[in-house]
Amino acid sequence: NAGVTQTPKFQVLKTGQSMTLQCAQDMNHEYMSWYRQDPGMGLRLIHYSVGAGITDQGEVPNGYNVSRSTTEDFPLRLLSAAPSQTSVYFCASSRSTGGSGYGYTFGSGTRLTVV
Amino acid sequence: GENVEQHPSTLSVQEGDSAVIKCTYSDSASNYFPWYKQELGKRPQLIIDIRSNVGEKKDQRIAVTLNKTAKHFSLHITETQPEDSAVYFCAAITGGATNKLIFGTGTLLAVQP
Repeated sequence: NAGVTQTPKFQVLKTGQSMTLQCAQDMNHEYMSWYRQDPGMGLRLIHYSVGAGITDQGEVPNGYNVSRSTTEDFPLRLLSAAPSQTSVYFCASSRSTGGSGYGYTFGSGTRLTVV
Repeated sequence: GENVEQHPSTLSVQEGDSAVIKCTYSDSASNYFPWYKQELGKRPQLIIDIRSNVGEKKDQRIAVTLNKTAKHFSLHITETQPEDSAVYFCAAITGGATNKLIFGTGTLLAVQP
């Protein structure tokens, strides 16, 4: 049981490049989310998913796309990288029963630098 | 939209003292309130949580209280130790079945030996 696995751990992009951050979980969790963490701003929700085929926007979705074709995987795509997207990105997953919510388990993060 | 405010942003205490971190939330339908601890360079880790039908929950030296009427919840750490030094985040699940988790901006707790 690996939990939530994120790749890569580090990435440097040039402005305008695109890339996909990978996230996979092996806990059969329904809910998955992507957060970005910037100094002094906590963890801000980018996109989230309540199950395969269902995604929705969070607090800061601009410049990012997601899809959820399987329960296990929830990739985050940067369409055209900008320096403002320099951040640490965390993927997280959670089970839930009846919408009452449970704590999220986080991946180890991806440190992204856009130059 | 939903919002979670957290105070203070930094907190310094002497070893053995108590520490209290406070949060308020905006969505009255929120029903689940976890707290996370994040050490430098690591991922956030869930340390305690509370549901809306409970007023207080304890786990050894940590406790969380919830006041639904005021939309306040707090983390209490007693007998603090240097290893408690970290950033602590409160969070709230928004109402409904989305399980959308919104975080506060974090509190940097420093426990001085």
